[in-house]
Amino acid sequence: GAGVSQSPSNKVTEKGKDVELRCDPISGHTALYWYRQSLGQGLEFLIYFQGNSAPDKSGLPSDRFSAERTGGSVSTLTIQRTQQEDSAVYLCASSLETGFHNEQFFGPGTRLTVL
Amino acid sequence: GENVEQHPSTLSVQEGDSAVIKCTYSDSASNYFPWYKQELGKRPQLIIDIRSNVGEKKDQRIAVTLNKTAKHFSLHITETQPEDSAVYFCAASIGGFQKLVFGTGTRLLVSP
Repeated sequence: GAGVSQSPSNKVTEKGKDVELRCDPISGHTALYWYRQSLGQGLEFLIYFQGNSAPDKSGLPSDRFSAERTGGSVSTLTIQRTQQEDSAVYLCASSLETGFHNEQFFGPGTRLTVL
Repeated sequence: GENVEQHPSTLSVQEGDSAVIKCTYSDSASNYFPWYKQELGKRPQLIIDIRSNVGEKKDQRIAVTLNKTAKHFSLHITETQPEDSAVYFCAASIGGFQKLVFGTGTRLLVSP
């Protein structure tokens, strides 16, 4: 079946512009996660959705970052007034929500470059 | 705060040798420990995971051990092959939530 998809695959923007990154989780997966991976670094947790609500937003780096999820499916990560330090690969993952931890399936990521 | 430390950062072995990657975690409530493999330019993929009610789990050439008392867990790869070359990430769950905290990764290079 279809895996997690993300769009765009690459995004180049100018400093100060806003960007929107999209994630389509696996059908039926109620849990959705956003991570950031800087070059050669690990995965930095940003936010987690359970259905349409976000019980954990603790990883969002600043108030320029926000995310929403509608219909329990597609999620959008928005970065306002982008800065050069926002350049990274943004990864989305989804999993079944069963009360136990389940495998997180990752998307291919969006590579964001802020000039 | 919640933290996962991973060592070594790079590991070079000859084909056929074993490789061991170690992680320590700080949250005593962590109960789920997955390992992900990320090949160059690809997405991370789960290779094995372990829950806190067992001390060891094995899947062919890959095994993971968990020591809850010491709060550390390790990935063991036997009979390494060049296609095992990748970056490996450990992770630990945080409390009762679905959140995972990842280690900083180990770049494994298996030379033929």
